[in-house]
Amino acid sequence: AQKITQTQPGMFVQEKEAVTLDCTYDTSDQSYGLFWYKQPSSGEMIFLIYQGSYDEQNATEGRYSLNFQKARKSANLVISASQLGDSAMYFCAMREGWGSQGNLIFGKGTKLSVKP
Amino acid sequence: ETGVTQTPRHLVMGMTNKKSLKCEQHLGHNAMYWYKQSAKKPLELMFVYSLEERVENNSVPSRFSPECPNSSHLFLHLHTLQPEDSALYLCASSQGLPGQGTYEQYFGPGTRLTVT
Repeated sequence: AQKITQTQPGMFVQEKEAVTLDCTYDTSDQSYGLFWYKQPSSGEMIFLIYQGSYDEQNATEGRYSLNFQKARKSANLVISASQLGDSAMYFCAMREGWGSQGNLIFGKGTKLSVKP
Repeated sequence: ETGVTQTPRHLVMGMTNKKSLKCEQHLGHNAMYWYKQSAKKPLELMFVYSLEERVENNSVPSRFSPECPNSSHLFLHLHTLQPEDSALYLCASSQGLPGQGTYEQYFGPGTRLTVT
């Protein structure tokens, strides 16, 4: 079974509108972390936002916010006021496990296209 | 130079060649990673080094051989590769291992490898 599921292979959004990228995860750990990364066409992965499983408030970083619903095991990324430069692949990732055995597990990604 | 750099950015090699990928991080981090990104597949973790010691080897074929001479440099030595090894190879670094805390990973731009 997939640990990280991103059900939207591709998404379109109009410039200046908000968009939500879906991510659901599967883990039996109580302590885990969720990350979102952006990958432009140039290839590098850019860290956007982090949510810890014990964090009570949703994480926010500028125009990015994470809609964390623990009971539903979802960690959706919300991008407000989309810009043309937001067009990229977006990956959800989870850190599970602790100590030296913890690693990041990535989803397959969502390709976001921002239309002018 | 800042962040994580990778050379070369593009590499075409025959199945009998031997080549090396280089990664360098200028962030003072203690952990470094090699990932493989194939089309339509999630990012696959290959190797993890912490303080120059390998802590993870995700059942990677022996034709891929990592080397971490110091905490700033990571190499991936390639020999007798197969066409299915063609992919984007990403290097990343972090302050600590994912399982030791909320350490986001910083990625390099990747090496686009084509095996002919």
